[in-house]
Amino acid sequence: NAGVMQNPRHLVRRRGQEARLRCSPMKGHSHVYWYRQLPEEGLKFMVYLQKENIIDESGMPKERFSAEFPKEGPSILRIQQVVRGDSAAYFCASSHGVEEKLFFGSGTQLSVL
Amino acid sequence: QQQVKQSPQSLIVQKGGIPIINCAYENTAFDYFPWYQQFPGKGPALLIAIRPDVSEKKEGRFTISFNKSAKQFSLHIMDSQPGDSATYFCATQGGSEKLVFGKGTKLTVNP
Repeated sequence: NAGVMQNPRHLVRRRGQEARLRCSPMKGHSHVYWYRQLPEEGLKFMVYLQKENIIDESGMPKERFSAEFPKEGPSILRIQQVVRGDSAAYFCASSHGVEEKLFFGSGTQLSVL
Repeated sequence: QQQVKQSPQSLIVQKGGIPIINCAYENTAFDYFPWYQQFPGKGPALLIAIRPDVSEKKEGRFTISFNKSAKQFSLHIMDSQPGDSATYFCATQGGSEKLVFGKGTKLTVNP
């Protein structure tokens, strides 16, 4: 049973480009969470999705960031017109249900040049 | 607004020592208190968790102590080993709300 799969592991973008981060939850999990980690800052919640629905996006910046979890396929975190401040590690986690144990992927390290 | 305050930021102990990491929370609605362990280049992994109906929980060398009245909980690592060197995060959650993490403690266990 594969764990939470994130790709790519490393993503380099120039300022103004788009970044697309993918997350395939564990088999049977329908709840997906995205977190951002900056050095010395811990993990900051961004968005919580269930299949085809955004449940809580209170941690998402209002502009340039969007997330989806379609009926088929992985969850996507999309960052448009990236800026250097977007450079961070982005982690996806999944769970079987609300209040269930969270399993994290190995993250995507985004570097904006 | 930081809802979980974690200390210390970093900690160095000798092998066999007992590092203690502390967290304080504000929201009394929180009812789930996990600790996560993260190695470089990896995602966080759940280490141990406690609910407020007990004051202590042990799993192997890891113990959580929970003080509901003080709104504090801590992680103790008994007989620490170099392989325990990692960053440790406390977190809190209430009901169906998302997990809120502390800023992390980088633990180094010297041989």
